[in-house]
Amino acid sequence: AQKITQTQPGMFVQEKEAVTLDCTYDTSDPSYGLFWYKQPSSGEMIFLIYQGSYDQQNATEGRYSLNFQKARKSANLVISASQLGDSAMYFCAMRITTSGTYKYIFGTGTRLKVLA
Amino acid sequence: DADVTQTPRNRITKTGKRIMLECSQTKGHDRMYWYRQDPGLGLRLIYYSFDVKDINKGEISDGYSVSRQAQAKFSLSLESAIPNQTALYFCATSDGILNEQFFGPGTRLTVL
Repeated sequence: AQKITQTQPGMFVQEKEAVTLDCTYDTSDPSYGLFWYKQPSSGEMIFLIYQGSYDQQNATEGRYSLNFQKARKSANLVISASQLGDSAMYFCAMRITTSGTYKYIFGTGTRLKVLA
Repeated sequence: DADVTQTPRNRITKTGKRIMLECSQTKGHDRMYWYRQDPGLGLRLIYYSFDVKDINKGEISDGYSVSRQAQAKFSLSLESAIPNQTALYFCATSDGILNEQFFGPGTRLTVL
């Protein structure tokens, strides 16, 4: 079954510290993509980072990095030097190929609260 | 100006009413998607379209229909709204080259 699992409904982190948000995935497709999105309280979905299944190196975008462990089927998001503005809901998502077309599957999200 | 817009942003309606949610994009993307978001369930795909003549059902298409009027426009209809369709609805676009999806601001729909 094609699935994304985020096991942390909520997390706290102290400002300026690093935090890791967990994501595991399940797919039989050899080619897939993994994404992280941020949803602040205002509701919009903001793209953060992408990792392709064939990418050799872990993706990085500023303070965001994706710890991709293919054998473990995990794609954890690491936020370095947390800021108060990082408080939001975070979704892990997977793009898969089904019958020759792409689909996107989202996890249930992790709510991150950054403490001053 | 926003690249992906949704109208209305908020809507309250009654059971049995027909509702249309509209999505427009200026990104020039071929692919468009409709999702609903419920607390604790993340985003679930309702329908998606890879071009004007291509419409595909997603994970939870029952009770919904869509229309791709043009490359830039993708509408979601609830023919006879029911209370469990109360949710936050997102439209998204993507192209075949870049990998991310670009989301609209969402439409909060309440069915009484």
